[in-house]
Amino acid sequence: NAGVTQTPKFRVLKTGQSMTLLCAQDMNHEYMYWYRQDPGMGLRLIHYSVGEGTTAKGEVPDGYNVSRLKKQNFLLGLESAAPSQTSVYFCASSYDSLYTFGSGTRLTVV
Amino acid sequence: AQSVTQLGSHVSVSEGALVLLRCNYSSSVPPYLFWYVQYPNQGLQLLLKYTSAATLVKGINGFEAEFKKSETSFHLTKPSAHMSDAAEYFCAVTKIYNQGGKLIFGQGTELSVKP
Repeated sequence: NAGVTQTPKFRVLKTGQSMTLLCAQDMNHEYMYWYRQDPGMGLRLIHYSVGEGTTAKGEVPDGYNVSRLKKQNFLLGLESAAPSQTSVYFCASSYDSLYTFGSGTRLTVV
Repeated sequence: AQSVTQLGSHVSVSEGALVLLRCNYSSSVPPYLFWYVQYPNQGLQLLLKYTSAATLVKGINGFEAEFKKSETSFHLTKPSAHMSDAAEYFCAVTKIYNQGGKLIFGQGTELSVKP
Protein backbone atom coordinates (compact mmCIF):
# COMPACT_ATOMS: atom_id res chain seq x y z
CA ASN A 1 0.00 0.00 0.00
CA ALA A 2 1.92 3.01 -1.29
CA GLY A 3 -0.45 5.74 -0.03
CA VAL A 4 0.37 9.02 -1.80
CA THR A 5 3.25 9.08 -4.23
CA GLN A 6 4.75 12.27 -5.65
CA THR A 7 7.04 12.48 -8.64
CA PRO A 8 9.61 13.84 -9.10
CA LYS A 9 11.22 14.29 -5.67
CA PHE A 10 13.60 17.01 -6.82
CA ARG A 11 13.71 19.31 -9.82
CA VAL A 12 15.61 22.38 -10.93
CA LEU A 13 13.93 24.57 -13.54
CA LYS A 14 15.03 27.64 -15.40
CA THR A 15 12.79 30.70 -15.30
CA GLY A 16 10.11 30.39 -17.96
CA GLN A 17 10.23 26.61 -18.25
CA SER A 18 7.17 24.49 -17.65
CA MET A 19 6.71 21.28 -15.74
CA THR A 20 4.10 18.99 -14.25
CA LEU A 21 4.16 17.44 -10.81
CA LEU A 22 2.33 14.15 -10.47
CA CYS A 23 0.47 12.96 -7.40
CA ALA A 24 -0.96 9.45 -7.28
CA GLN A 25 -2.98 7.83 -4.49
CA ASP A 26 -4.14 4.25 -4.18
CA MET A 27 -6.67 4.68 -1.36
CA ASN A 28 -9.69 5.60 -3.51
CA HIS A 29 -9.93 8.99 -1.77
CA GLU A 30 -12.29 11.54 -3.32
CA TYR A 31 -10.48 14.63 -2.08
CA MET A 32 -6.97 15.63 -3.15
CA TYR A 33 -4.88 18.72 -2.47
CA TRP A 34 -1.71 20.52 -3.51
CA TYR A 35 0.17 22.62 -0.94
CA ARG A 36 3.38 24.59 -1.04
CA GLN A 37 5.62 24.99 1.98
CA ASP A 38 7.82 28.04 2.48
CA PRO A 39 9.84 28.99 5.58
CA GLY A 40 7.76 30.82 8.16
CA MET A 41 4.54 30.45 6.18
CA GLY A 42 3.45 26.92 6.94
CA LEU A 43 1.68 25.00 4.20
CA ARG A 44 -0.53 26.99 1.89
CA LEU A 45 -3.20 25.42 -0.27
CA ILE A 46 -2.69 25.92 -4.01
CA HIS A 47 -5.58 23.95 -5.54
CA TYR A 48 -7.77 21.09 -4.50
CA SER A 49 -10.24 18.61 -5.93
CA VAL A 50 -13.37 17.06 -4.47
CA GLY A 51 -13.64 14.36 -7.10
CA GLU A 52 -12.68 13.17 -10.55
CA GLY A 53 -13.05 15.92 -13.11
CA THR A 54 -13.36 18.72 -10.53
CA THR A 55 -10.83 21.29 -9.31
CA ALA A 56 -10.98 24.44 -7.23
CA LYS A 57 -8.66 27.26 -6.23
CA GLY A 58 -7.02 27.43 -2.84
CA GLU A 59 -5.19 30.28 -1.11
CA VAL A 60 -2.35 30.74 -3.61
CA PRO A 61 -3.46 29.50 -7.06
CA ASP A 62 -1.78 32.08 -9.30
CA GLY A 63 0.80 30.63 -11.68
CA TYR A 64 -0.44 27.06 -11.26
CA ASN A 65 -2.96 24.85 -13.00
CA VAL A 66 -4.29 21.45 -12.02
CA SER A 67 -6.15 18.53 -13.53
CA ARG A 68 -7.93 15.52 -12.09
CA LEU A 69 -8.76 13.38 -15.11
CA LYS A 70 -8.57 10.16 -13.09
CA LYS A 71 -9.64 9.75 -9.49
CA GLN A 72 -6.26 8.46 -8.40
CA ASN A 73 -4.16 11.22 -10.00
CA PHE A 74 -3.89 14.95 -9.34
CA LEU A 75 -1.49 16.90 -11.54
CA LEU A 76 0.00 20.29 -10.74
CA GLY A 77 1.32 22.31 -13.65
CA LEU A 78 3.59 25.31 -13.82
CA GLU A 79 3.22 26.93 -17.24
CA SER A 80 6.06 29.44 -16.91
CA ALA A 81 8.12 28.92 -13.80
CA ALA A 82 9.26 31.90 -11.73
CA PRO A 83 11.84 32.08 -8.93
CA SER A 84 8.96 32.84 -6.52
CA GLN A 85 7.73 29.30 -7.14
CA THR A 86 10.83 27.83 -5.56
CA SER A 87 9.33 25.78 -2.76
CA VAL A 88 8.57 22.34 -1.42
CA TYR A 89 5.32 20.99 -2.79
CA PHE A 90 3.17 18.50 -0.94
CA CYS A 91 0.25 16.53 -2.27
CA ALA A 92 -2.38 15.03 0.02
CA SER A 93 -5.57 13.04 -0.20
CA SER A 94 -8.31 12.61 2.35
CA TYR A 95 -11.35 10.67 3.43
CA ASP A 96 -13.36 11.97 6.39
CA SER A 97 -10.73 13.08 8.91
CA LEU A 98 -7.94 10.91 7.54
CA TYR A 99 -5.35 12.86 5.56
CA THR A 100 -2.40 11.23 3.85
CA PHE A 101 0.52 13.31 2.61
CA GLY A 102 3.14 12.57 0.02
CA SER A 103 6.83 12.94 0.79
CA GLY A 104 7.15 16.20 -1.12
CA THR A 105 8.80 17.63 -4.22
CA ARG A 106 11.60 20.12 -3.78
CA LEU A 107 11.49 22.56 -6.71
CA THR A 108 14.10 25.19 -7.40
CA VAL A 109 13.58 27.81 -10.11
CA VAL A 110 16.73 29.61 -11.17
CA ALA B 1 -13.28 31.64 6.87
CA GLN B 2 -11.16 29.32 8.91
CA SER B 3 -7.74 30.28 10.16
CA VAL B 4 -5.09 29.09 12.55
CA THR B 5 -2.58 31.15 14.52
CA GLN B 6 0.44 29.57 16.13
CA LEU B 7 1.94 31.80 18.78
CA GLY B 8 5.72 31.78 18.57
CA SER B 9 7.66 30.78 15.49
CA HIS B 10 10.48 29.41 17.65
CA VAL B 11 10.26 27.74 21.05
CA SER B 12 13.29 26.52 22.96
CA VAL B 13 13.13 24.23 25.99
CA SER B 14 15.61 22.23 28.01
CA GLU B 15 15.58 18.46 27.88
CA GLY B 16 13.12 17.21 30.51
CA ALA B 17 11.15 20.46 30.62
CA LEU B 18 7.51 20.95 29.71
CA VAL B 19 6.73 21.54 26.05
CA LEU B 20 3.88 23.94 25.29
CA LEU B 21 3.11 24.93 21.71
CA ARG B 22 0.19 27.30 21.28
CA CYS B 23 -2.50 27.19 18.63
CA ASN B 24 -5.63 29.31 18.34
CA TYR B 25 -8.22 28.78 15.65
CA SER B 26 -11.03 30.67 14.04
CA SER B 27 -13.97 28.77 12.63
CA SER B 28 -17.65 29.53 12.17
CA VAL B 29 -18.62 25.93 12.80
CA PRO B 30 -17.21 23.26 15.11
CA PRO B 31 -13.83 22.42 13.67
CA TYR B 32 -11.66 19.39 13.34
CA LEU B 33 -8.15 20.21 14.61
CA PHE B 34 -4.83 18.55 13.97
CA TRP B 35 -1.20 18.72 15.05
CA TYR B 36 1.50 17.55 12.66
CA VAL B 37 5.24 17.22 13.15
CA GLN B 38 7.89 17.61 10.47
CA TYR B 39 11.45 16.48 11.03
CA PRO B 40 14.18 18.06 8.88
CA ASN B 41 13.88 17.19 5.20
CA GLN B 42 10.94 14.91 5.81
CA GLY B 43 7.20 14.95 5.21
CA LEU B 44 4.37 15.55 7.66
CA GLN B 45 3.50 13.09 10.39
CA LEU B 46 0.21 13.23 12.27
CA LEU B 47 0.66 13.68 16.02
CA LEU B 48 -2.97 13.82 17.02
CA LYS B 49 -6.39 15.06 15.98
CA TYR B 50 -9.59 16.34 17.53
CA THR B 51 -12.82 15.35 15.82
CA SER B 52 -15.47 16.40 18.38
CA ALA B 53 -15.12 13.42 20.71
CA ALA B 54 -13.06 13.81 23.91
CA THR B 55 -11.66 17.32 24.38
CA LEU B 56 -8.34 15.97 25.68
CA VAL B 57 -6.62 14.16 22.86
CA LYS B 58 -3.60 11.94 23.32
CA GLY B 59 -1.23 11.42 20.44
CA ILE B 60 2.01 9.71 19.61
CA ASN B 61 5.37 10.25 21.32
CA GLY B 62 3.75 11.39 24.59
CA PHE B 63 2.09 14.50 23.16
CA GLU B 64 -1.42 15.61 24.00
CA ALA B 65 -3.68 18.56 23.23
CA GLU B 66 -6.82 19.98 24.78
CA PHE B 67 -9.64 21.50 22.78
CA LYS B 68 -11.00 24.56 24.59
CA LYS B 69 -13.97 26.02 22.78
CA SER B 70 -14.27 29.03 25.11
CA GLU B 71 -10.67 30.02 24.34
CA THR B 72 -10.70 28.80 20.71
CA SER B 73 -7.46 27.04 21.51
CA PHE B 74 -5.85 23.68 20.86
CA HIS B 75 -2.45 23.87 22.54
CA LEU B 76 0.02 20.98 22.27
CA THR B 77 1.84 19.78 25.36
CA LYS B 78 4.35 17.18 26.46
CA PRO B 79 5.39 16.83 30.10
CA SER B 80 9.07 16.13 29.44
CA ALA B 81 10.96 17.10 26.31
CA HIS B 82 13.40 14.74 24.62
CA MET B 83 16.16 15.72 22.23
CA SER B 84 14.33 13.75 19.56
CA ASP B 85 11.35 16.15 19.80
CA ALA B 86 13.30 18.87 18.01
CA ALA B 87 11.30 19.52 14.85
CA GLU B 88 8.74 21.85 13.32
CA TYR B 89 5.16 21.55 14.48
CA PHE B 90 2.07 22.60 12.58
CA CYS B 91 -1.46 23.12 13.82
CA ALA B 92 -4.23 22.74 11.23
CA VAL B 93 -8.00 23.16 11.07
CA THR B 94 -10.72 21.94 8.77
CA LYS B 95 -14.46 21.69 8.42
CA ILE B 96 -14.90 18.17 7.17
CA TYR B 97 -18.30 18.52 5.59
CA ASN B 98 -17.74 21.85 3.91
CA GLN B 99 -15.41 23.31 1.35
CA GLY B 100 -13.84 20.05 0.29
CA GLY B 101 -12.35 19.25 3.66
CA LYS B 102 -9.46 21.65 3.12
CA LEU B 103 -6.80 21.64 5.81
CA ILE B 104 -5.72 25.16 6.74
CA PHE B 105 -2.31 25.28 8.42
CA GLY B 106 -0.71 27.64 10.87
CA GLN B 107 2.69 29.06 10.07
CA GLY B 108 4.51 26.50 12.18
CA THR B 109 6.54 26.51 15.38
CA GLU B 110 10.11 25.27 15.42
CA LEU B 111 10.93 23.48 18.64
CA SER B 112 14.52 23.35 19.84
CA VAL B 113 15.55 21.12 22.76
CA LYS B 114 18.69 22.01 24.70
CA PRO B 115 20.70 19.36 26.50
